[in-house]
Amino acid sequence: GAVVSQHPSWVICKSGTSVKIECRSLDFQATTMFWYRQFPKQSLMLMATSNEGSKATYEQGVEKDKFLINHASLTLSTLTVTSAHPEDSSFYICSGSTGEWEPQHFGDGTRLSIL
Amino acid sequence: AQTVTQSQPEMSVQEAETVTLSCTYDTSESDYYLFWYKQPPSRQMILVIRQEAYKQQNATENRFSVNFQKAAKSFSLKISDSQLGDAAMYFCAYWGSNYKLTFGKGTLLTVNP
Repeated sequence: GAVVSQHPSWVICKSGTSVKIECRSLDFQATTMFWYRQFPKQSLMLMATSNEGSKATYEQGVEKDKFLINHASLTLSTLTVTSAHPEDSSFYICSGSTGEWEPQHFGDGTRLSIL
Repeated sequence: AQTVTQSQPEMSVQEAETVTLSCTYDTSESDYYLFWYKQPPSRQMILVIRQEAYKQQNATENRFSVNFQKAAKSFSLKISDSQLGDAAMYFCAYWGSNYKLTFGKGTLLTVNP
C-alpha cells in the first residue's frame, strides 16, 4: 500500500519551455504533498509543501513564480517549472502524506534536463 | 531550526560483514521521529527504519537496527550481514513539529564482494 506515482520519470526539453510533473497517490488520500529537489550527489531539499485545496507554502529561496504547485485533489499534485532554463535541470521528487504525523510516501522522481 | 549531520560521506564494507552509519541531529523538541532512507542508483527513496523519540527501545527491521541515544542526539544505523543490494546512498532524516523532513547530506555505502 501507500503508492505514489510520479510522471514523467525523465523529461528533456528546450530552454524557455514549461514542464509539468505529476504526482499521484494511488491508494491513499494525500492531504499534504511535498516537493523536493535533488542535485547530483547531494541531499534532498524541500521546495514546497502543499495541502489539498490550499496554496502551496514555499521554502525560503524557492521562486514560487518559477515553480508552480497545484494540489487540487487529494490524489493529485502537480509541479510546473515555468520558462525552464539549464540551471533548473535537476531531480525532482514528490511525496504524499495522509496527515501531520503520518509518514511520507515518495514517488520515484523525475529527472529534468533542460537543453 | 533542526539540523542533521552525517559525518561519513562514504563508507565501505565487505559482503556479510557489519557496518555502522553515523547520524547526529540538533533539536530543542522532545517529540519527533527519526528515519533512515536508502536511495539506490535508481534514486527511489526507500524507508529503511523509523524511530519514535518517545520510545526507548531501539528499532529493528531484519538486518537493520539503530542505536538511538536521545540525550546525545545520536541515531546510528547498523547493517548486519551486508549484501550487495545494500549498496546505496543512505540518508538520515529528522521529522518534528513542523511536519517537514530534514535530511542529512547522506553516506554513500559500497559493498565489496
